[in-house]
Amino acid sequence: GQQVMQIPQYQHVQEGEDFTTYCNSSTTLSNIQWYKQRPGGHPVFLIQLVKSGEVKKQKRLTFQFGEAKKNSSLHITATQTTDVGTYFCAETGANSKLTFGKGITLSVRP
Amino acid sequence: DGGITQSPKYLFRKEGQNVTLSCEQNLNHDAMYWYRQDPGQGLRLIYYSQIVNDFQKGDIAEGYSVSREKKESFPLTVTSAQKNPTAFYLCASSLRELTDTQYFGPGTRLTVL
Repeated sequence: GQQVMQIPQYQHVQEGEDFTTYCNSSTTLSNIQWYKQRPGGHPVFLIQLVKSGEVKKQKRLTFQFGEAKKNSSLHITATQTTDVGTYFCAETGANSKLTFGKGITLSVRP
Repeated sequence: DGGITQSPKYLFRKEGQNVTLSCEQNLNHDAMYWYRQDPGQGLRLIYYSQIVNDFQKGDIAEGYSVSREKKESFPLTVTSAQKNPTAFYLCASSLRELTDTQYFGPGTRLTVL
């Protein structure tokens, strides 16, 4: 079935560095949702993108939906230790269900 | 205080025993889900339900069973047929459609000894 790819699975950054991760699909997506799971916690909804080229910001986090609606990016400006966790994208495609990517786990060195 | 509760947080069972994980929500959501999370595997869908007394298999339903007798409750039974039951189990709910934003419970970490 339709799937979104999140590669790599792990990324390590120095506190203060910027971080960008991508969510890619081979087919056109209806919309994309992003979730964050803190270590030991549960996934929490962050944002939903629906329109082609849409950009949404939440403080230091910037989310973008690609023009062709086949990819999405999450950019964190000046990472902090509170940004650690696993970020999942989830797509709603032709199968009418929300399908999660495998996530990217971010660690931040203080 | 609205939300999803899962109990217990940690559960230990002997191999060969069935075990039931609880999931309750007071958000008045129609749809509920069960996911299994293993390191590096993301969230894998076990079962989901959009309405009382109806549920559908997800991607990894073998060895699991569910019931949906009440809108608020969606318990998951891990049967002895499940070959690798040790995992972190997450319950979620969404307002109505399967594509709506999902709200997750705190999870139950099951260890089978």
